[in-house]
Amino acid sequence: DQQVKQNSPSLSVQEGRISILNCDYTNSMFDYFLWYKKYPAEGPTFLISISSIKDKNEDGRFTVFLNKSAKHLSLHIVPSQPGDSAVYFCAARRPFKTSYDKVIFGPGTSLSVIP
Amino acid sequence: DAGITQSPRHKVTETGTPVTLRCHQTENHRYMYWYRQDPGHGLRLIHYSYGVKDTDKGEVSDGYSVSRSKTEDFLLTLESATSSQTSVYFCATRLAARGVEQFFGPGTRLTVL
Repeated sequence: DQQVKQNSPSLSVQEGRISILNCDYTNSMFDYFLWYKKYPAEGPTFLISISSIKDKNEDGRFTVFLNKSAKHLSLHIVPSQPGDSAVYFCAARRPFKTSYDKVIFGPGTSLSVIP
Repeated sequence: DAGITQSPRHKVTETGTPVTLRCHQTENHRYMYWYRQDPGHGLRLIHYSYGVKDTDKGEVSDGYSVSRSKTEDFLLTLESATSSQTSVYFCATRLAARGVEQFFGPGTRLTVL
């Protein structure tokens, strides 16, 4: 049972245009949502996060939107650059124990930005 | 960058042999995690540690054990490797009480024949 879903395995976008990556979740207990970016043969790197009490967070070319009623979030990259080509993982955090907060990752979306 | 290294980076082994993967961090982060990445599944948590000698199971812990005798080192052991454990393994750390993001190592690609 996937609690964090990324229904598009891949996405192609022209350089300079907007990239929109989508993520859906099922658990209303998640309190933070995160996006990670992963290049081949490297570990994931943190990109941006959003608290469940907010609906938007922006960092340079990257903006994450959260729609709690729809249990949906999206990552917008504007403008897209060839260096953005990578796999993007959506992740959601749920406080679980005092010693551990549970983070669930989606399966990832592979973004290709075409020059 | 939390200064995380993993060793080995690549390993090929045979079914039934024990395997130990090492994660080393230089940032004194309290929390450490082991994940595996498989196509269609994203990253799945195997085990985690919330301090020296304090470890607990994640969602896919069967067939794996861990140890953490020092803050900087977190070992993942496959007691008797199986082909289903062929995967890419990532170690991650998190600085307690600040932020939610985890910092990942470069990964170990393990193939069990």
